[in-house]
This record gives sequence, structure tokens and C-alpha cells, in this order.
Amino acid sequence: NAGVTQTPKFQVLKTGQSMTLQCAQDMNHNSMYWYRQDPGMGLRLIYYSASEGTTDKGEVPNGYNVSRLNKREFSLRLESAAPSQTSVYFCASLQATYNEQFFGPGTRLTVL
Amino acid sequence: DQQVKQNSPSLSVQEGRISILNCDYTNSMFDYFLWYKKYPAEGPTFLISISSIKDKNEDGRFTVFLNKSAKHLSLHIVPSQPGDSAVYFCAARRTGQNFVFGPGTRLSVLP
Repeated sequence: NAGVTQTPKFQVLKTGQSMTLQCAQDMNHNSMYWYRQDPGMGLRLIYYSASEGTTDKGEVPNGYNVSRLNKREFSLRLESAAPSQTSVYFCASLQATYNEQFFGPGTRLTVL
Repeated sequence: DQQVKQNSPSLSVQEGRISILNCDYTNSMFDYFLWYKKYPAEGPTFLISISSIKDKNEDGRFTVFLNKSAKHLSLHIVPSQPGDSAVYFCAARRTGQNFVFGPGTRLSVLP
């Protein structure tokens, strides 16, 4: 039981490049989330997926797109990376009965 | 405007003493509150939660207190241990809506 996994762990991009952050969970959770963590800002919600086949914008969606590929996988895409997207990105899934989110280990992204 | 605030960016406590981490919120509709703990290079992990119908929840060395009238909650760690050194995030939600996280407090427990 791996929980929530994320790839890659680290990534450096140049401004304008694109990339996809991958996330998968093996806990059969319906809801999945993408957050970014910046110093002094806590975790801010980028996009979420309440169930397979649905996605919705969170607090800071600009510059990002998501795909809920199936119940297990939820990917985050940066089409044209900007230095303001330098951050640590966390994927999470929700155990709805206990209202508990399980987080992946994070992806540290630097955009030059 | 932050709906969940943790006004102390950092806190240092001696091993064996009590650690008290504070959190304030502005949205009176929040009905569920959680604390997460985060070590460097890892994702946050759930620590303890409390529903708005309670004012205290205890789990071993960790106790969360909720004061709804003051819109304030606190996490008490007794006794503090060096392994408790981490960043602690307070989070809140209204039923049916997403969690809102505070900016975190870095706790250092000194041996």
C-alpha cells in the first residue's frame, strides 16, 4: 500500500517550457487535490477532482490544467511555465469518512 | 484575505515542556478543523481533528482545543519531544467545501 505517489520529485524548467506532474493513489479515494506550497502562504488549492470524470478550479488555477485519468490518477499540467510557478506541489486524496487528506511527498519545481 | 491564520511563524520549546500552537479563523461557517504535521521533504500528515460540536479532542500527547466564540483553536503537545520538530498546519473546512490551510508554524523542540 503506497498511499499517494508523485513524480517527479524535483524538476527544473525554463520559462515557457511545459511539463506534467503525475499523481496516483491506491486507497480507492474518490476525491483528489493539487496544492502548491509557498513560504508564508501555507497550502493553496490549485484544482480538485471530487470524483472520477470531474474537475474544478481551486483558489489559484491560472496557468494550470488537470486531468483525472481514472480513479487512481490525477495529473497537473503546466502548459507554459513561469517563474511565479516555482513552488512545491503536493497531491492529496481524501478519506471521506474521516475527513482526512493523505498527501504525496511533493514535487519541488523551479522555473528559471 | 487569509481565512485561517497562524500568527506565529516559529516556536521553540524545551524538550519535556508543553508546546502550544495557535490558529485563528475568520469564517464562522467552518465546522471541522484539523492539524497536519510536515517534516522537510515530505508531505503533510494528519495529526488530530475536531468537530465544531466539541471543544476538546485528545489523542495521546496531542490535544486540540476549540473556542468557537473566539474563532480560535490551539494544539497542545505534552510533553514535547525532539521528534515533534516540524511545521504544523492548521486547516478548516465547511461541510461540502474544500479545506483551507493556514501558513504553518515551525516548531523546534530543543534537547
